[in-house]
Amino acid sequence: NAGVMQNPRHLVRRRGQEARLRCSPMKGHSHVYWYRQLPEEGLKFMVYLQKENIIDESGMPKERFSAEFPKEGPSILRIQQVVRGDSAAYFCASSPDRAGYGYTFGSGTRLTVV
Amino acid sequence: KNEVEQSPQNLTAQEGEFITINCSYSVGISALHWLQQHPGGGIVSLFMLSSGKKKHGRLIATINIQEKHSSLHITASHPRDSAVYICAVSDSGSEKLVFGKGMKLTVNP
Repeated sequence: NAGVMQNPRHLVRRRGQEARLRCSPMKGHSHVYWYRQLPEEGLKFMVYLQKENIIDESGMPKERFSAEFPKEGPSILRIQQVVRGDSAAYFCASSPDRAGYGYTFGSGTRLTVV
Repeated sequence: KNEVEQSPQNLTAQEGEFITINCSYSVGISALHWLQQHPGGGIVSLFMLSSGKKKHGRLIATINIQEKHSSLHITASHPRDSAVYICAVSDSGSEKLVFGKGMKLTVNP
């Protein structure tokens, strides 16, 4: 029973390129959360999704960032026209229900913008 | 003021010592999580608490809802316990987590 799978583990993008981060939740988990950890800072909530629905995107920057969790396949966090300030570790977590029991984190994607 | 405060920010201990990490929060919560993060590594969920006390191996987590405070205790600490320990809370009515800044623990042999 694989845990939360994130890929790639490391991603390097030049300024202006697009970054796509993928997250496959644990089997049986239908709730997905994305968090960002900037260098030397704590984790911050970005977005909460269920299958085909964005439930809460209050932590997402207004521009260039989007997320989806399609009926089939992994959840995708997409960053368009990346800038140096987007360099961070992006973590995905999943849970089986709204109560949060079984909350499980992935290993993260470390994005470096050069 | 952060919604979740952890203390101390850094701690160095000798192997075998009893360690306590504190977390205070200012919002109403549905649950509190203790997480562990190794350098360059992923995040492991240690405990999820809504009341009382939980124990797993050498780790014990307690929460006092009235005082809005939680502690994570490590008994007989070991160098492999060296990591950042993060406290996070679920806001009442929301599933997203709000995190403390973490406490970096170093256990020397």
